[in-house]
Amino acid sequence: EAQVTQNPRYLITVTGKKLTVTCSQNMNHEYMSWYRQDPGLGLRQIYYSMNVEVTDKGDVPEGYKVSRKEKRNFPLILESPSPNQTSLYFCASSNPSFSPAGVYNEQFFGPGTRLTVL
Amino acid sequence: AQSVSQHNHHVILSEAASLELGCNYSYGGTVNLFWYVQYPGQHLQLLLKYFSGDPLVKGIKGFEAEFIKSKFSFNLRKPSVQWSDTAEYFCAAGAISNFGNEKLTFGTGTRLTIIP
Repeated sequence: EAQVTQNPRYLITVTGKKLTVTCSQNMNHEYMSWYRQDPGLGLRQIYYSMNVEVTDKGDVPEGYKVSRKEKRNFPLILESPSPNQTSLYFCASSNPSFSPAGVYNEQFFGPGTRLTVL
Repeated sequence: AQSVSQHNHHVILSEAASLELGCNYSYGGTVNLFWYVQYPGQHLQLLLKYFSGDPLVKGIKGFEAEFIKSKFSFNLRKPSVQWSDTAEYFCAAGAISNFGNEKLTFGTGTRLTIIP
């Protein structure tokens, strides 16, 4: 089954304790992204990756790191989590598709990781 | 800066009522537009997308959306809603580039509650 998986699904941690949320896709997609979802703010992109070893900042990258050493995996790293990073996190992947107007992506989302930082 | 606005934060309808959710975008160039749905406790799923051609696009589950370039709008519609349409709906836009719209901007979402 084609899917994006995230682990863990739920995590409660304390301020300053480094953590990693894993994301893996089995669709051979080139693009992967991380979003956070907060009430009243919708989804905001944290980081994205266009291919292995190619990453770039989204709209809210502060306090996060990513790496893309393999095509299928795109972990999100919080080196020193703080309470304002309490949120619901989604990983997404896609491949570029081509239309007369240009290139577009249809992103497939993972199930989400609910993170609480105390 | 690019932005997507959804002005309806919470919409409550009775079953069989017609639905229209507003979405306006602000972008400097050509964009792709999407509507995603998030059912309670689940991840986002794509309802429909627009990238070119016919401005009226049809998606899954009887939803459709109309792209009106002059109004910078991409409103979502359904003629007759069902209780199972209770969910949160997100409009999203991505600038078209040579590499694809890997950078999506989402609206804040509209929570839809359908009363049986």
